[in-house]
Amino acid sequence: AQKITQTQPGMFVQEKEAVTLDCTYDTSDQSYGLFWYKQPSSGEMIFLIYQGSYDEQNATEGRYSLNFQKARKSANLVISASQLGDSAMYFCAMREGRGNAGNMLTFGGGTRLMVKP
Amino acid sequence: AAGVIQSPRHLIKEKRETATLKCYPIPRHDTVYWYQQGPGQDPQFLISFYEKMQSDKGSIPDRFSAQQFSDYHSELNMSSLELGDSALYFCASSYQTSGGAAQYFGPGTRLTVL
Repeated sequence: AQKITQTQPGMFVQEKEAVTLDCTYDTSDQSYGLFWYKQPSSGEMIFLIYQGSYDEQNATEGRYSLNFQKARKSANLVISASQLGDSAMYFCAMREGRGNAGNMLTFGGGTRLMVKP
Repeated sequence: AAGVIQSPRHLIKEKRETATLKCYPIPRHDTVYWYQQGPGQDPQFLISFYEKMQSDKGSIPDRFSAQQFSDYHSELNMSSLELGDSALYFCASSYQTSGGAAQYFGPGTRLTVL
C-alpha cells in the first residue's frame, strides 16, 4: 500500500488566490513527521513546512500552512495568496518513527501546481 | 545561509563506468541522506549516515556504496553503471535534535549514463 498519497497530479490556481494540495498518509507508528517540499523546474528540493504527529497546532510558515487532521490521516498544504513563483511540483513526505538519526523520508507522487496570471 | 553542496552538478558516463558523487552538508549538520529521483518520479531513499556510521538503508543497489567522512562530507560511489541509473541524485542533511529534524536538500547531481 502507498504510504503517501497525493491524489491531484496537476492543479491550476489563479494568482493571489489560495490553494490546497491534498496529502493522505498511512502508518501504524504513533510518532511520525510530515513534510512538504517544493521542486521548481530547475530541480532543487526546497523544504517548506513540517508537522509532527504530536503537535497540537497546525504548522504555519509564512504563506504556507499545514491542515493536519490526524484521525483522517491527512496533511494538506495550504498556500495563501498564490504567486507566479509558486508554480512547481509539490511533494508530501513522511518520516516514520521517533525522528532518530537517519530516518528516511517516503515521498508521495507529487502535485504539479500551475499559477495563472 | 549556507546550503548543502553537491558536486559535480552534471555528470555524463558510459555504461559500465564508475562515478563518484560528493556531498558537503550544511555546517554543524551531522546526518547525511542520499536520494535518487528518476525522470517524472518522486525521490527514492538510498542510504543515510549519522556521525559517520550508516544509519538507514533503502533501495540502494549492491553496485553502489557510500560513506561519511570525519569532516561529515559524504561520497556515493557507483560502479558498473547502467542506463537505468540515469537520474537526479540528491544529498540532504539534517541536525539531529530531539525530533522532527527537517532534511535540507542540495541542488542535486544529474547523472546521465549513455
